[in-house]
Amino acid sequence: SQQGEEDPQALSIQEGENATMNCSYKTSINNLQWYRQNSGRGLVHLILIRSNEREKHSGRLRVTLDTSKKSSSLLITASRAADTASYFCAADMKTSYDKVIFGPGTSLSVIP
Amino acid sequence: ETGVTQTPRHLVMGMTNKKSLKCEQHLGHNAMYWYKQSAKKPLELMFVYSLEERVENNSVPSRFSPECPNSSHLFLHLHTLQPEDSALYLCASSQDVSSYEQYFGPGTRLTVT
Repeated sequence: SQQGEEDPQALSIQEGENATMNCSYKTSINNLQWYRQNSGRGLVHLILIRSNEREKHSGRLRVTLDTSKKSSSLLITASRAADTASYFCAADMKTSYDKVIFGPGTSLSVIP
Repeated sequence: ETGVTQTPRHLVMGMTNKKSLKCEQHLGHNAMYWYKQSAKKPLELMFVYSLEERVENNSVPSRFSPECPNSSHLFLHLHTLQPEDSALYLCASSQDVSSYEQYFGPGTRLTVT
């Protein structure tokens, strides 16, 4: 089963609104990362939050991490049409060797 | 530009063909990865190399054969593929295998006819 699971699978909002995406994972992690992918392109790293951090900001992005609930959220504030993309969380598992598992992604559409 | 390049960007091949995908990273990273991304499926990790040594192989069929001649280059050799192997193949690199963000190439869109 996937380590990272995003929710919702798809999200459609108006430009200017905030978008929130959630991610759940199953085992202990070293960190959790969020990536963005424009259609048919490679993934771009957005933000990394370590297991001992609770919240992190980067520009219009805000990521939270709740290790007790094994969940994370990505908030994009004041969305723009250019934010339209798929967003993936990736859980860096604590195993005998470090391994990053990607979730299935949330497809975000921002309508101008 | 992420510093990771992939060629070709698009590839159409028959089931009896042999082809290779190439990935090059200009970031001085020690770890490189191959992923498969199929429509409506999560990203699947195929192979991981650390300092040119394979450290992960997720039960990938033998018709996919990776090669890492040095820490900057990664190849995926393909032979006798199936139509279900059609997908976007993504290469990525990171500073090391553990706990570092990955930098992805633009991918190779592979179609097997």
